[in-house]
Amino acid sequence: DVKVTQSSRYLVKRTGEKVFLECVQDMDHENMFWYRQDPGLGLRLIYFSYDVKMKEKGDIPEGYSVSREKKERFSLILESASTNQTSMYLCASSNNRDSLAKNIQYFGAGTRLSVL
Amino acid sequence: ILNVEQSPQSLHVQEGDSTNFTCSFPSSNFYALHWYRWETAKSPEALFVMTLNGDEKKKGRISATLNTKEGYSYLYIKGSQPEDSATYLCAYTGASKLTFGTGTRLQVTL
Repeated sequence: DVKVTQSSRYLVKRTGEKVFLECVQDMDHENMFWYRQDPGLGLRLIYFSYDVKMKEKGDIPEGYSVSREKKERFSLILESASTNQTSMYLCASSNNRDSLAKNIQYFGAGTRLSVL
Repeated sequence: ILNVEQSPQSLHVQEGDSTNFTCSFPSSNFYALHWYRWETAKSPEALFVMTLNGDEKKKGRISATLNTKEGYSYLYIKGSQPEDSATYLCAYTGASKLTFGTGTRLQVTL
């Protein structure tokens, strides 16, 4: 069974803290993605990666960075958390069997981050 | 930023009712349209990926159609059941990354 695991379901951090959100997939997928979900807005892409050590900016990369040292793990880093980064964060992965556009994305259950 | 719109924003139906919702997207540079179902406290799950104008896909009581010339897709649920309660997301892609709509939240009651 396909699995994308996010390390925490809920996280509370203080303004200015460095925050790591971890995502692991067990499907040997090449592509991994980080999104955030806010009320009234669709899922918005923060960063994605199509290979180990590769990363591409999504639509809203400001204030975030990512790390992909191993194929199965994709980390989202908030260098200095701010209150406007309070959100639901979703990780996803997909394979390269077809084009990036056509491949189904498999999602984790999400991490609800509160920055106080 | 591309505009993907879904309507209605939310929907409340009785068990057994059939229902449908709409996803509108840019008709230029179309490559694929995805539908996902997102139940509360769970992960979004893919329902369909459609690429060709006129595509129709079906999975049990759920089906979807695609019109790429006018830029819309319909999702239909026949005989809604309480377990269909979820947010239904569509996502458009013109090149590589997906652009999601805000979703239609469906509530099915007994």
